[in-house]
Amino acid sequence: DTAVSQTPKYLVTQMGNDKSIKCEQNLGHDTMYWYKQDSKKFLKIMFSYNNKELIINETVPNRFSPKSPDKAHLNLHINSLELGDSAVYFCASSSTGEGEKLFFGSGTQLSVL
Amino acid sequence: RKEVEQDPGPFNVPEGATVAFNCTYSNSASQSFFWYRQDCRKEPKLLMSVYSSGNEDGRFTAQLNRASQYISLLIRDSKLSDSATYLCVVNLSGYSTLTFGKGTMLLVSP
Repeated sequence: DTAVSQTPKYLVTQMGNDKSIKCEQNLGHDTMYWYKQDSKKFLKIMFSYNNKELIINETVPNRFSPKSPDKAHLNLHINSLELGDSAVYFCASSSTGEGEKLFFGSGTQLSVL
Repeated sequence: RKEVEQDPGPFNVPEGATVAFNCTYSNSASQSFFWYRQDCRKEPKLLMSVYSSGNEDGRFTAQLNRASQYISLLIRDSKLSDSATYLCVVNLSGYSTLTFGKGTMLLVSP
């Protein structure tokens, strides 16, 4: 009964490939996020969705496209993967009005070779 | 100046020690403040919020100094299980995103 689950946990792929990471939360939260944690451990927001609507889109290459089919799911599709995309990607969720109490998934370690 | 800056680590302390982490933030309009904890190869988890009056949760005490734009976390009687990276986190009013510091690693040894 994991609260925020994301798959896969590890993703190893070649440059130029397209890949997706899936995220689901069963907490009843209405806001979901994608964060990127690079090799220097810096955790940075990429996207935020509230009730399936995009509300935050930080400076991220348009090769990254989030999709939220419903408020419990937020997937991340990445086209034409580059070496610099290698990082840990965390999905998170929160309730409206409690945006500071983020519940994170366990992360997806993406390695682009 | 970075938005959220923390003490460089790692901090190596013996069990039972008291250790303090500091954090400064650049935006004076910041409204809410937090400490998150991240274990090695795990996801961050909320440790505690930080209030202007200071707050305590067991062995952990958090303090905020708005005038100096400074946040601290004090851990008393360190346990081996406290070994982790502690992330200082700041939220701007009207925004729904958190800005994370790079974190300070704590290693508690027997």
